[in-house]
Amino acid sequence: NAGVTQTPKFRVLKTGQSMTLLCAQDMNHEYMYWYRQDPGMGLRLIHYSVGEGTTAKGEVPDGYNVSRLKKQNFLLGLESAAPSQTSVYFCASSPPVYEQYFGPGTRLTVT
Amino acid sequence: SQQGEEDPQALSIQEGENATMNCSYKTSINNLQWYRQNSGRGLVHLILIRSNEREKHSGRLRVTLDTSKKSSSLLITASRAADTASYFCARTTGGGNKLTFGTGTQLKVEL
Repeated sequence: NAGVTQTPKFRVLKTGQSMTLLCAQDMNHEYMYWYRQDPGMGLRLIHYSVGEGTTAKGEVPDGYNVSRLKKQNFLLGLESAAPSQTSVYFCASSPPVYEQYFGPGTRLTVT
Repeated sequence: SQQGEEDPQALSIQEGENATMNCSYKTSINNLQWYRQNSGRGLVHLILIRSNEREKHSGRLRVTLDTSKKSSSLLITASRAADTASYFCARTTGGGNKLTFGTGTQLKVEL
């Protein structure tokens, strides 16, 4: 039982490049989330999904897109990376209520 | 934007002492959760307290919630060096089980 996994663990992009972060969970959770964490701050919600085929915007959605084609996967896309998107990205999953389970994070640097 | 504050921002204590962290928020909540983050790692859920509860215990952890003051506290008793980490409170409000995080308290427990 791997829990929540994220791919890749590290990535360096140049401004304007695109990439996709993959999140996978094996707990059959309905809900999935993408957060970003910047130095000295808590996590901020980018997008979330309450079920397969559904997505919704969080607190800081601009510059990101997401897709939830399969229940176990939640993808976060950056179409044109900017230095302001340098951050650590965390995926999480949960049942409809109660605690969230977090992945190990992806450290992204945009130069 | 963050919907709450945590204090202190940093706390350094000796092993065996108790550590108290406080969290304040501005809007009504469904529940409040505390998470722990070891350096460079994902978040781990510690405890959840519902809006109609006032106190909850889990091992060496004690959480209180005062909805009239919109505040919560996390007490770690008999701290250990392994408790060194950042601690975040997070509130759920509205639907989607979305979490809004505070800025965190960095706890250092010295031998």
